[in-house]
Amino acid sequence: DAGVTQSPTHLIKTRGQQVTLRCSPKSGHDTVSWYQQALGQGPQFIFQYYEEEERQRGNFPDRFSGHQFPNYSSELNVNALLLGDSALYLCASSLGHLNEKLFFGSGTQLSVL
Amino acid sequence: GESVGLHLPTLSVQEGDNSIINCAYSNSASDYFIWYKQESGKGPQFIIDIRSNMDKRQGQRVTVLLNKTVKHLSLQIAATQPGDSAVYFCAEKRAAGNKLTFGGGTRVLVKP
Repeated sequence: DAGVTQSPTHLIKTRGQQVTLRCSPKSGHDTVSWYQQALGQGPQFIFQYYEEEERQRGNFPDRFSGHQFPNYSSELNVNALLLGDSALYLCASSLGHLNEKLFFGSGTQLSVL
Repeated sequence: GESVGLHLPTLSVQEGDNSIINCAYSNSASDYFIWYKQESGKGPQFIIDIRSNMDKRQGQRVTVLLNKTVKHLSLQIAATQPGDSAVYFCAEKRAAGNKLTFGGGTRVLVKP
């Protein structure tokens, strides 16, 4: 039973560039949420995707966007990267968009130079 | 804004002793709480959860206590082992959706 998988594990970008991160949910899960975790802090909610639509959104600018595919996998896109976007980006999946028990992947470590 | 926070950033405990990690929350509308363990280089791993209609829940070597009167949550780890060394996060959920609001984390260091 595969858990939540994310790719790539590490990424280095420069300011102004765009980045796409990918996530495959745990087997049987249909909802994907994305979180940003700055060094030494707790994860912060970015948004949630269910039935290929964004259902909830945290306090993040429009530079952050996402997508969910029919197979429930998801992408997180960040445009016009800033130095402050450097963080660990975590994907979490759940069975249903109201199910609070989230299973997290190991994350993508993004460094913006 | 409302948030979930932790009292102690670092907890050092002797192997075999019990650990207690505390967490304060300010959102009285929160109806679900969850504890995660995060080891270096890994994502948060589910430990235990509790709903607001309960005040105690036990798992394997772990117990979560919820005091809604003072908006306080704690995680107790019995017979702490070296493998328990990690950062522990509490998180809360409000009534709608499944967005979790995380606290800042407590690092637990287990001394042999």
